[in-house]
Amino acid sequence: SQTIHQWPATLVQPVGSPLSLECTVEGTSNPNLYWYRQAAGRGLQLLFYSVGIGQISSEVPQNLSASRPQDRQFILSSKKLLLSDSGFYLCAWSGAWSGNTDTQYFGPGTRLTVL
Amino acid sequence: GQQVMQIPQYQHVQEGEDFTTYCNSSTTLSNIQWYKQRPGGHPVFLIQLVKSGEVKKQKRLTFQFGEAKKNSSLHITATQTTDVGTYFCAGPGDFNDMRFGAGTRLTVKP
Repeated sequence: SQTIHQWPATLVQPVGSPLSLECTVEGTSNPNLYWYRQAAGRGLQLLFYSVGIGQISSEVPQNLSASRPQDRQFILSSKKLLLSDSGFYLCAWSGAWSGNTDTQYFGPGTRLTVL
Repeated sequence: GQQVMQIPQYQHVQEGEDFTTYCNSSTTLSNIQWYKQRPGGHPVFLIQLVKSGEVKKQKRLTFQFGEAKKNSSLHITATQTTDVGTYFCAGPGDFNDMRFGAGTRLTVKP
C-alpha cells in the first residue's frame, strides 16, 4: 500500500529564517506530487505540483520554492519566511498506482507558525 | 482557468438535522471529487462522480453530479457529531492537479 510522510509535524520559525519541509511517498513510482497551503479556517491553495523529477510548476508567485530531487521526494523551501507564510502545509500525491489518476492522497501536514 | 465555488462557507446544525453543501464550476468537469477534513487533520478522499446526473450514496451521505457536469452537492441525512469537519469539492485543473473549493465547515451541536 502507499503511504505519504511529512515532517516536521509542527514548526515555529522567526520571520526572515529559512524553511525546509519534506514530503516522501512510499509504495508507488512516478507519482504526481503537490504542495498546498491552508490558512487557518480557509480552503486549500495549490502552491506547486510536479509530474516528475526536476519538473516543478508554480501556481502563484511567492517567496517559496519547491524541488523534487528524487522520484518520491518533494521539498518545500524558503530563504526568508514572512509572517504571511504561516499556515498548514499539505503534501499530496496522485497517480495510476491509486487506481484513479486524479484522486489526491494527502500527508498529515506541517503546521508552520511564523513569529 | 477553471474555478470551483462552494457554498455555504459555514453551517451549524443541531444533531439529527440534515446538511447540504453545494459546489459549482465555471466550466464543465470531467469528474468531481469530494473530500472531508476533520478538525486538525488532513483532507481525506470520499468519492468521485464521473457521469452526468450521477448519484452515489455512502450510508447517510448522498452525492450528486449535475446533468451539465458543472455542479455537485453533498447531502448528509440526520447529522451526527462524527460528521463534524470541512467538506471540500474538487475538480480537475488545467494540468495534472485538482482545484479545490473553499470548503464548507460543518459543526454539529449535540
